[in-house]
Amino acid sequence: NAGVMQNPRHLVRRRGQEARLRCSPMKGHSHVYWYRQLPEEGLKFMVYLQKENIIDESGMPKERFSAEFPKEGPSILRIQQVVRGDSAAYFCASSPTSGRTGELFFGEGSRLTVL
Amino acid sequence: AQSVTQPDIHITVSEGASLELRCNYSYGATPYLFWYVQSPGQGLQLLLKYFSGDTLVQGIKGFEAEFKRSQSSFNLRKPSVHWSDAAEYFCAVGAIDGGSQGNLIFGKGTKLSVKP
Repeated sequence: NAGVMQNPRHLVRRRGQEARLRCSPMKGHSHVYWYRQLPEEGLKFMVYLQKENIIDESGMPKERFSAEFPKEGPSILRIQQVVRGDSAAYFCASSPTSGRTGELFFGEGSRLTVL
Repeated sequence: AQSVTQPDIHITVSEGASLELRCNYSYGATPYLFWYVQSPGQGLQLLLKYFSGDTLVQGIKGFEAEFKRSQSSFNLRKPSVHWSDAAEYFCAVGAIDGGSQGNLIFGKGTKLSVKP
């Protein structure tokens, strides 16, 4: 019973390149969340998606960041024209229903380093 | 504003000693409260959660936490720490006031070291 799968686990990009992070939720989960963890910080909510819908993107930076969760395939967090400040661990989480807040299952994260 | 404060950045305890990690929150109504643990290079694992009812909640790995509304606290405890408990611990508050499900507010974490 696979958990939340994220890839790549580590990604290195140069300034100005694009980063794509993928997340496959747990089987049977239709809700996906992306969080960012900066060094020495807790996790910060970025976006909440259901299949083909963005439900809450209140934590997403206004520019360069986008997320999708298509009908088929994993959820993708896309960062265009990366800058050094984007270096962080990006965690995906999933949940099975819309009833209970916070019962999230986290992946192991994707660690982005921008040179 | 909603916030979570974990006053201790780093705590060191001896193996076998008791542990208490502090968490205070600021929230407009009764919150949903969580403790997660993160081992180095890993994701977060849910230790326990409080939604309603009994204010003393039991979690996995022998952890428990007590919700004290009057003190706006949700401290995590364990009577006897094991070396494998060394990790970073995060307290989080869930949005239940019609806000987004899954939009948790995390504290900055407390790093636990265990000495033999």
